[in-house]
Amino acid sequence: SQTIHQWPATLVQPVGSPLSLECTVEGTSNPNLYWYRQAAGRGLQLLFYSVGIGQISSEVPQNLSASRPQDRQFILSSKKLLLSDSGFYLCAWSTPGQGRDTEAFFGQGTRLTVV
Amino acid sequence: LAKTTQPISMDSYEGQEVNITCSHNNIATNDYITWYQQFPSQGPRFIIQGYKTKVTNEVASLFIPADRKSSTLSLPRVSLSDTAVYYCLVGDGNSGNTPLVFGKGTRLSVIA
Repeated sequence: SQTIHQWPATLVQPVGSPLSLECTVEGTSNPNLYWYRQAAGRGLQLLFYSVGIGQISSEVPQNLSASRPQDRQFILSSKKLLLSDSGFYLCAWSTPGQGRDTEAFFGQGTRLTVV
Repeated sequence: LAKTTQPISMDSYEGQEVNITCSHNNIATNDYITWYQQFPSQGPRFIIQGYKTKVTNEVASLFIPADRKSSTLSLPRVSLSDTAVYYCLVGDGNSGNTPLVFGKGTRLSVIA
């Protein structure tokens, strides 16, 4: 069966420090991968999505970047965190095509607090 | 992706059937309709997906009229544990390149 791993679960970082959140998927090949952010009490904001290694689409220009160095690995990064980067970060995957693009499976999330 | 409109919030008593309607007037021919459930501090969970007519699984039913411009998620006999935010998402399920953009969702509160 397919599983998605996302870590760390919680993170407290000072303003100006770098960030690296990692997400890996097991049990599937060539998944679509997504990064979302959810501010407290708000909806899900799509940050990046990827349809293949090295292929990243950015939905919201901001202080973050994403990379996909391997088929089932998706990394969210920042060189210098801002207070506004605080939130709940979620990684997700879906199977491309076959009517399943919109059937996404989410990780447990990382709660990031920038202080 | 087709834009979706849902009620911001709904209240229901335990044991009642809850119907949450989503409007998607500009849905495209290849678009599927997918519903998710999200509890606090957790990622959304896929509930049900359909293209037309009615789909039923062990959790919910999804009703889609012939024109597909709306859909209704039906939760039978809700319990307190069904209190969550429910998202309707419309998108091409076959493109292989679909950004999944969630709307604001409907916050369902189940009352004892």
